Amino acid sequence: RKEVEQDPGPFNVPEGATVAFNCTYSNSASQSFFWYRQDCRKEPKLLMSVYSSGNEDGRFTAQLNRASQYISLLIRDSKLSDSATYLCVVSGGSYIPTFGRGTSLIVHP
Amino acid sequence: NAGVTQTPKFQVLKTGQSMTLQCAQDMNHEYMSWYRQDPGMGLRLIHYSVGAGITDQGEVPNGYNVSRSTTEDFPLRLLSAAPSQTSVYFCASSYSAGPEQFFGPGTRLTVL
Repeated sequence: RKEVEQDPGPFNVPEGATVAFNCTYSNSASQSFFWYRQDCRKEPKLLMSVYSSGNEDGRFTAQLNRASQYISLLIRDSKLSDSATYLCVVSGGSYIPTFGRGTSLIVHP
Repeated sequence: NAGVTQTPKFQVLKTGQSMTLQCAQDMNHEYMSWYRQDPGMGLRLIHYSVGAGITDQGEVPNGYNVSRSTTEDFPLRLLSAAPSQTSVYFCASSYSAGPEQFFGPGTRLTVL
């Protein structure tokens, strides 16, 4: 079982829709959680960190469920520019982070 | 402030050739890493460094060497290229473990 698992998608949604992705992790000792965004043929960029209490940044909301070992990303009012691959990243006490394979989002007019 | 830079952007090698992928950052970050990204596999850590003179292996280190003689530079050397090393290589840096990593634009390598 891979340490960090994501549904590869693609999630195909119309503009204005709300879409949610989940990411499950296997290491219960994991301490840090992030969502990165990667545009086609570009480098990954940090979208947001994920905190135990949940956090929001504009249209994006991230949540952590330690009991069930998953993190989620909710995007409200989807824009065409949200089309990208969303990578879940989990790290434990050491430096070595583990990346999920990514979830592809396509927002269409 | 250029961030993380990588050269070359594209490279084609023949099996058995060697080469060095360059990575530099101007943010005075202590942590630097090399990843490879393959279709369906996600990003996998090759080697990383927590400071000048200190390097360690990641998940897939075989066939690659690194060194960190300065804070700014972290080159990745392919000793004898193999077709299995065809991939996109990303260099990343961060202030410390855990928080945001800044990625370079990547090097697309093809080994024939």
